[in-house]
Amino acid sequence: SAVISQKPSRDICQRGTSLTIQCQVDSQVTMMFWYRQQPGQSLTLIATANQGSEATYESGFVIDKFPISRPNLTFSTLTVSNMSPEDSSIYLCSVYRDLNNEQFFGPGTRLTVL
Amino acid sequence: AQSVAQPEDQVNVAEGNPLTVKCTYSVSGNPYLFWYVQYPNRGLQFLLKYITGDNLVKGSYGFEAEFNKSQTSFHLKKPSALVSDSALYFCAVRDSSNDYKLSFGAGTTVTVRA
Repeated sequence: SAVISQKPSRDICQRGTSLTIQCQVDSQVTMMFWYRQQPGQSLTLIATANQGSEATYESGFVIDKFPISRPNLTFSTLTVSNMSPEDSSIYLCSVYRDLNNEQFFGPGTRLTVL
Repeated sequence: AQSVAQPEDQVNVAEGNPLTVKCTYSVSGNPYLFWYVQYPNRGLQFLLKYITGDNLVKGSYGFEAEFNKSQTSFHLKKPSALVSDSALYFCAVRDSSNDYKLSFGAGTTVTVRA
């Protein structure tokens, strides 16, 4: 398995501010992803974090709102910009391991926007 | 396109009874199927996967799942449920030909009563 840590684990933020979430993996991985889990909902893929190039966003998500960085093969950040209460969710980092065809998830960051 | 359906929002069973959580999927190519469990205020934990081979796959904590291609199903089962199995369960699928993106079902809340 992969050991994935996220910071912060939770935060309460004011409307209009931005929050950057960090994801650290214990070993190098090619594929990293960011998911959102809105209250009482399933997981929705936000984007694929590509090392050395711009992230690939899913339909309904844009770079201006969710800028992503991937400076190396073990680290990524997701920023939630100009937040509104609708952004209140759990944000999860995920990595894919080719060896076992398995995808692992971080513990998540629980964001509440007031 | 790929998608997953979990027809039951909730499943309630008595401890010691068999537990089944249903999942059906849709992919254009060959499916890779996964089950994850989420405990309150925790991240997603990988339970088991089907990639190829035997239709019956065994995973963590005594869970197993059966891949049925003709019915496009991948139901999760446990012969004897424990109170500690109470959690939120997600089925996920990806097409073997796509770029590692998972699609999740809506989730099924399992409650095991003592």
